[in-house]
Order: sequence, then C-alpha cells, then structure tokens
Amino acid sequence: DIQMTQSPSSLSASVGDRVTITCRASQDINNYLAWFQQKPGKAPKSLIYGTSSLQGGVPSKFSGSGSGTDFTLTISSLQPEDFATYYCQQYNTYPLTFGGGTKVEI
Amino acid sequence: EVQLLESGGGLVQPGRSLRLSCAASGFTFSSHAMSWVRQAPGKGLEWVSAISTSGDSTYYTDSVKGRFTISRDNSKNTLYLHMNSLRAEDAAVYYCATPISPAAAAGRLDSWGQGTLVTVSS
Repeated sequence: DIQMTQSPSSLSASVGDRVTITCRASQDINNYLAWFQQKPGKAPKSLIYGTSSLQGGVPSKFSGSGSGTDFTLTISSLQPEDFATYYCQQYNTYPLTFGGGTKVEI
Repeated sequence: EVQLLESGGGLVQPGRSLRLSCAASGFTFSSHAMSWVRQAPGKGLEWVSAISTSGDSTYYTDSVKGRFTISRDNSKNTLYLHMNSLRAEDAAVYYCATPISPAAAAGRLDSWGQGTLVTVSS
C-alpha cells in the first residue's frame, strides 16, 4: 500500500498569512494527488486534483505543486473561511490512501 | 448537479450487520466508479471500498475484506455497502464519493455525500 505522510499535523496562522502543507508518498504516484478541505461536521470538499488542477469554483488562492513523491498545497493569503483541516490523497492505485490531515488554526 | 445521499446508518451491536445506501442523482450513475470513505470520530479519512461502473470489479481496504461487500444497482442509481460482523472500530461517518466525470480516474473523489453515521456498541 502507498503511505501518505502529511506535515505538519497542525499549524497556527493568521489572516493574510501564506500557508504551505506538504505531503509525501511512499512511492511515485504519477501525480495522481488530490487535496481536500474539511470543516467540522461537514463532508470533505475537493480542492485540487492531478497535483495542481483546481476544482471548479475553488479560489485561485489555493494552489498545488509537486511531482513523483513530494507535493505541496499552498494557500496564498489565509482568510477566516480557510481555517479547516486539509487532507491529501493518492488515487494512483488501490487501496486509495489519505494523509493524516493538517489542521489549520488561528 | 451531482447529488449523493447516504442512508442506513444507525446504532448496531458488535457482530451484527448493516446495509448503507447512497442514492445518486444529477449525473449518469452507471458511467461512474464509486467509493465509500469513512471517518471515525475525531480521526482522519479512510477509504473503505470502491466499485467499477459495471460492478464487475471491487476493491477493499484490508480491515474490511471478507466482512464488507460493495455493490451497485445501476437501474436504481444506488450504491450499497453491506457490512457484516461489525466491530467497534467500524464506527464512523460513512461517505460515498465519485469522480466528477466518467473520463476521470476512478479513484478521484470529486463529489461527496453528506455522510451517514454508524455506531457500533452493545
């Protein structure tokens, strides 16, 4: 199985900050990497697929990059609605696997 | 607009069975692979199972193999998860999810339902 290691597990930031979350796969996942945002009590929301492609309606302050085994999610200017937990996920092979999550707090 | 509506969750005793359903609308259900993902209280996301468009191919995480069965009824636009021999560690919110396009990779989880809660306790 492909292991997804996300870091940090939590971070504190302020409105307006630039935030970067990293995700490392245990083997090459051919850029089949997605990022999700989840708020308490809500279903996850897909932000990015294919490492860097934004889902429709997702603001451009979110961006994804990386290749091979190392990937990043960047939020360019944190806003109050961005405080949430973020997950990466590989969909290169079954079983699909998620990172452990990064909680972004004020 | 893609809509996924899970149902069937509830309180069940350890060792008993439960069947979850996911009613799909707003897209051509029979053209989309489907997945179940769960989230235990206060924990992260865990993929559980997936099924191909026809139902011929199914996939499971190791911890549920032999106990859970994924299936679909394309005539009813409905996905199922039959859960047998339930354990305390199966307690979670269960979500169904799907790619937004039939052309997308099967494991791309673009659209999600709101989830249904399964509680396993005596």
